[in-house]
Amino acid sequence: AQSVTQLGSHVSVSEGALVLLRCNYSSSVPPYLFWYVQYPNQGLQLLLKYTTGATLVKGINGFEAEFKKSETSFHLTKPSAHMSDAAEYFCAVSDYGGSQGNLIFGKGTKLSVKP
Amino acid sequence: EADIYQTPRYLVIGTGKKITLECSQTMGHDKMYWYQQDPGMELHLIHYSYGVNSTEKGDLSSESTVSRIRTEHFPLTLESARPSHTSQYLCASTKGGTGKTEAFFGQGTRLTVV
Repeated sequence: AQSVTQLGSHVSVSEGALVLLRCNYSSSVPPYLFWYVQYPNQGLQLLLKYTTGATLVKGINGFEAEFKKSETSFHLTKPSAHMSDAAEYFCAVSDYGGSQGNLIFGKGTKLSVKP
Repeated sequence: EADIYQTPRYLVIGTGKKITLECSQTMGHDKMYWYQQDPGMELHLIHYSYGVNSTEKGDLSSESTVSRIRTEHFPLTLESARPSHTSQYLCASTKGGTGKTEAFFGQGTRLTVV
């Protein structure tokens, strides 16, 4: 069965610093992986996704993630944090190999950005 | 922007009342979902639907019920609201039912039962 682990429920960085949000997955099939962002009192918005092909995936707002099969990881990065990046970030893996085909979410990481 | 809408955005209601949370999408997506999210917590899938007349229970047991009479509409109903139902409810949809495409989310309904 598929599962997602996000290391660190809360990450704090200074404005301009590197953002690194960690995600490890477990999947019995080649994984389809997603990162979503949630701003306060809002729904989730897709940042980026990995399905097949290039392992370095670029998304919106300057974020990118690299799929590393050997490490079963899909960490999210951004070279320089902005105040507007403060939000909750969710990693998800698709259960497309199962009977339901649903997304399985991690517990989320809250990103704080200090001025 | 995703074309999926939830109403109301915020709802405060008394214990024992019947409520329906509305969710509509204009993308023609077959598969739709309801998630429950407590503040600062993970998302729990409570219901999903593969299409018209299809409803399935998710991973988290819920006293709510859903219906899917039209492709674009997936309402969630609580027959008798209780304080334990206080939470944020998120509706989502995907183009296919296989799990290979991303989900589009509504803005959520924050429900408070007093």
